[in-house]
Amino acid sequence: AQSVSQHNHHVILSEAASLELGCNYSYGGTVNLFWYVQYPGQHLQLLLKYFSGDPLVKGIKGFEAEFIKSKFSFNLRKPSVQWSDTAEYFCAASKAAGNKLTFGGGTRVLVKP
Amino acid sequence: NAGVTQTPKFQVLKTGQSMTLQCAQDMNHEYMSWYRQDPGMGLRLIHYSVGAGITDQGEVPNGYNVSRSTTEDFPLRLLSAAPSQTSVYFCASSYGRMPQRDPEAFFGQGTRLTVV
Repeated sequence: AQSVSQHNHHVILSEAASLELGCNYSYGGTVNLFWYVQYPGQHLQLLLKYFSGDPLVKGIKGFEAEFIKSKFSFNLRKPSVQWSDTAEYFCAASKAAGNKLTFGGGTRVLVKP
Repeated sequence: NAGVTQTPKFQVLKTGQSMTLQCAQDMNHEYMSWYRQDPGMGLRLIHYSVGAGITDQGEVPNGYNVSRSTTEDFPLRLLSAAPSQTSVYFCASSYGRMPQRDPEAFFGQGTRLTVV
């Protein structure tokens, strides 16, 4: 069965620190990969997505992610976080020819001012 | 664009009651789905639909029913609410598979359901 795992459940950072959230997936074949963010009390919003092409994907708000096929990973990074990046982050995957998303368990990120 | 609209935003039910969570999208998306979000478990797929008249079960379908009579609407019915169904429910929509399009999913605002 397909699965997505996120390594950290909680991350606490100070402003200006760098952020990296790990995500690994187990899918056979070609996959689509996503990172979603959920700010407190809000719905999920797309940060970035990978379908094909350049494995380094840039998203909104200064986030980027790198798809490493050999490691089945799609880690999210931001060089310098802000207090407003406090949120829960979800990695998700779907088969390239499908729509069914499988989500990781989420990582809660708290950025201290 | 309204995007994906869910109603209600909050609901409290008594055990055994039934109710319907509404979901509508105005993007002409073929694919619609319902997820529940529980702490530490991410989002889990309840039911999904690849088009009007077609529905299928996801990962956690027990206790829920869906129908898809139109492209726009995809209601989720709780048949007999149980405390284990206390959760936040999200509806999502995206383009279908054929021809392959951007499968980005758009989410509604969520429904916070408490069953007492």
